[in-house]
Amino acid sequence: SQQGEEDPQALSIQEGENATMNCSYKTSINNLQWYRQNSGRGLVHLILIRSNEREKHSGRLRVTLDTSKKSSSLLITASRAADTASYFCATDYGNNRLAFGKGNQVVVIP
Amino acid sequence: DAGVIQSPRHEVTEMGQEVTLRCKPISGHNSLFWYRQTMMRGLELLIYFNNNVPIDDSGMPEDRFSAKMPNASFSTLKIQPSEPRDSAVYFCASVGGAGTEAFFGQGTRLTVV
Repeated sequence: SQQGEEDPQALSIQEGENATMNCSYKTSINNLQWYRQNSGRGLVHLILIRSNEREKHSGRLRVTLDTSKKSSSLLITASRAADTASYFCATDYGNNRLAFGKGNQVVVIP
Repeated sequence: DAGVIQSPRHEVTEMGQEVTLRCKPISGHNSLFWYRQTMMRGLELLIYFNNNVPIDDSGMPEDRFSAKMPNASFSTLKIQPSEPRDSAVYFCASVGGAGTEAFFGQGTRLTVV
């Protein structure tokens, strides 16, 4: 199975700033998804972008997908303390099976 | 719907004991996945079911691991015998349709001592 890889892995920002995370993958995908995980909790789906889409927005989230470079980015605008969490990209490589990256830890300082 | 429900939330057991983790998917979802999360290996897919049938168990690490889905509303992941290296958080997730998002349970934190 393939593995997404996020970069950078740890990010500390001030409340109100934007946070950007990148993800790369190796093989063809059906879609790419981003999830959030708060400490000790399950994963919460944030946004899904299909392989034929280039950009998608959801509230303060913006995701881009470049299938030629096999990469994606997640932008969180106007960050809040409540955005403090780990963020994972996951590629659907068929039949809804997900390959996850190692995750980005984001700390938003009030 | 209450979402994906996993039990127990925490399990501490001694090496060699049998461990059974349980999952109730979201009603109407036809695919169920078991994932394991560790610091070293991150999130890994262990096995998934489609319409209660195991489709891909290539991620199951050893024969000590087994999973069943006797009906659309219940699945178990069993480890027998358990070993300290099985310590991890085990997640169950369900999906309602092709190419849609997964809904994860809160996970079971397993500690084998």
